[in-house]
Amino acid sequence: SAVISQKPSRDICQRGTSLTIQCQVDSQVTMMFWYRQQPGQSLTLIATANQGSEATYESGFVIDKFPISRPNLTFSTLTVSNLSPEDSSIYLCSSKGPTYEQYFGPGTRLTVT
Amino acid sequence: AQSVTQPDIHITVSEGASLELRCNYSYGATPYLFWYVQSPGQGLQLLLKYFSGDTLVQGIKGFEAEFKRSQSSFNLRKPSVHWSDAAEYFCAVAPLFRGTASKLTFGTGTRLQVTL
Repeated sequence: SAVISQKPSRDICQRGTSLTIQCQVDSQVTMMFWYRQQPGQSLTLIATANQGSEATYESGFVIDKFPISRPNLTFSTLTVSNLSPEDSSIYLCSSKGPTYEQYFGPGTRLTVT
Repeated sequence: AQSVTQPDIHITVSEGASLELRCNYSYGATPYLFWYVQSPGQGLQLLLKYFSGDTLVQGIKGFEAEFKRSQSSFNLRKPSVHWSDAAEYFCAVAPLFRGTASKLTFGTGTRLQVTL
């Protein structure tokens, strides 16, 4: 299984600023995903990030708010822009395994004040 | 509507007792099925997966799950729970689309509490 790391593990940000989260996979993968987990809730898919193409966003998520980069087959970033308290969540990245399972990073806990 | 349901929000069991966590799905074709566990402050760890074949699948940490097509269910079981099993458990499905599957849809989760 892939090993995934995320930076930062947690952050406290001011309203109106942005946070960029990095996701590193220990092997080359075609598909990476970004999820949001609001407090006490399940995971909601934000977008799918394929290397060499624009990310595909789910309903309710837009590129201006959640820009994603995927510069190579082992790395991706998610930026959460113009932060508001409603953005306080855990953000997780994952990679698709060889048989459709996904492997997850440890998450980034964001608190917006 | 397509969905995955975990009817139990919170379950408490005694250490050493058996455990069954329920998961039901509603999709036109049988999706790929997964169970994940999330310990406090951690990411998600894959416990087991089902794609086809034997309907009883074995996973890590002594967990197993049984796929029942007639009931659209994929329940997670463990014969004897350990205190370290206390965590949040998520059922997830990957619907097939044109013969392939990519996106996961997660259930709402079941929080397991283990009493000593």
